[in-house]
Amino acid sequence: GESVGLHLPTLSVQEGDNSIINCAYSNSASDYFIWYKQESGKGPQFIIDIRSNMDKRQGQRVTVLLNKTVKHLSLQIAATQPGDSAVYFCAENINDYKLSFGAGTTVTVRA
Amino acid sequence: DAEITQSPRHKITETGRQVTLACHQTWNHNNMFWYRQDLGHGLRLIHYSYGVHDTNKGEVSDGYSVSRSNTEDLPLTLESAASSQTSVYFCASSEMGGTEAFFGQGTRLTVV
Repeated sequence: GESVGLHLPTLSVQEGDNSIINCAYSNSASDYFIWYKQESGKGPQFIIDIRSNMDKRQGQRVTVLLNKTVKHLSLQIAATQPGDSAVYFCAENINDYKLSFGAGTTVTVRA
Repeated sequence: DAEITQSPRHKITETGRQVTLACHQTWNHNNMFWYRQDLGHGLRLIHYSYGVHDTNKGEVSDGYSVSRSNTEDLPLTLESAASSQTSVYFCASSEMGGTEAFFGQGTRLTVV
């Protein structure tokens, strides 16, 4: 499943498929980006980060892509599992330790 | 293990009352933040602190205040609670020079 365009608030994906969550950021001076996962009733949890001098970074089953030209960030989740159901937020940092968050995308995994 | 804890987890208060939400971290982080989370708005920054006795306003600071008397705690006070302040509040901390923020479990505040 893929969220197309700048941002979709919800994404439904079949278990086992790959997920792509998109995020547009606002400030060309942002130098650091983070993806957080928030499960129901919990605080956001760090997934993966990337600095502005990189365009791709991989973690365990997750990959973050950064396109500075169009100010776009994406999170790819491989082989999506039921435990991946959550709200995903991208956040940008503008070199002063504060994070500015997007509105979030709710991912629902279908069995 | 180091952690960040918020209390209470749930609170109901009346309009006009003063309310204080607690945040305590054992990471020894210099940076601490308070966010509120509302449907359709994601997380919005209320106040933040880069160290003891340092406090700064975020994008939605009206009606809120914080104080930082030690490294571990950043209590958030609603001076006179309003229904518009019904929300879920998250506290976070990060290292000086670091940018990944660690979040607490949140406090759900209802103002009636």
